[in-house]
Amino acid sequence: AQTVTQSQPEMSVQEAETVTLSCTYDTSESDYYLFWYKQPPSRQMILVIRQEAYKQQNATENRFSVNFQKAAKSFSLKISDSQLGDAAMYFCAYSQGAQKLVFGQGTRLTINP
Amino acid sequence: SQTIHQWPATLVQPVGSPLSLECTVEGTSNPNLYWYRQAAGRGLQLLFYSIGIDQISSEVPQNLSASRPQDRQFILSSKKLLLSDSGFYLCAWSVGGVSDTQYFGPGTRLTVL
Repeated sequence: AQTVTQSQPEMSVQEAETVTLSCTYDTSESDYYLFWYKQPPSRQMILVIRQEAYKQQNATENRFSVNFQKAAKSFSLKISDSQLGDAAMYFCAYSQGAQKLVFGQGTRLTINP
Repeated sequence: SQTIHQWPATLVQPVGSPLSLECTVEGTSNPNLYWYRQAAGRGLQLLFYSIGIDQISSEVPQNLSASRPQDRQFILSSKKLLLSDSGFYLCAWSVGGVSDTQYFGPGTRLTVL
């Protein structure tokens, strides 16, 4: 079964600085998708960024970018120029198409002003 | 644009009472629909997913059930709630077919006393 591991239960960063959240996963498949979701205090899950495993190019969405290392099964999220509104729980997730998302346990990110 | 609604937002129910949580999606046809549960401080666990009316798959055996009476409506039910059913319930949708990206509703916080 596929598993997703986030080894950092909590992270903190100064406002305007850069932070990287780690994620590793385990799968025997070659074609899959990886995601980062943000869960603010409202608890609604918001899609941050998506990566297709067959694409070598790392996905980028404004201040958010990933470092996808397929051989190492690693998928980290970099947040540049951190803002107070970035404070949330961040979940790494894996899927193989229209099937279930497998989530990590989450990393709580605190932004210090 | 597509929107997803869940209600109620908050629910407090006694042990042994029935449950009905509703999820509806607007702005799309034949979506894939999902129910997840999130225990406090944990990641999300898939409960049910549906790729069409009368096509519902259960991921975790429990006293919950799901139904899809209409194309864009997904209902989570229980005949008798247990204390362990407390949690945050999230509905999600993805484009019908093999779409990988899931979009989440605002969630329902259920407390069973």
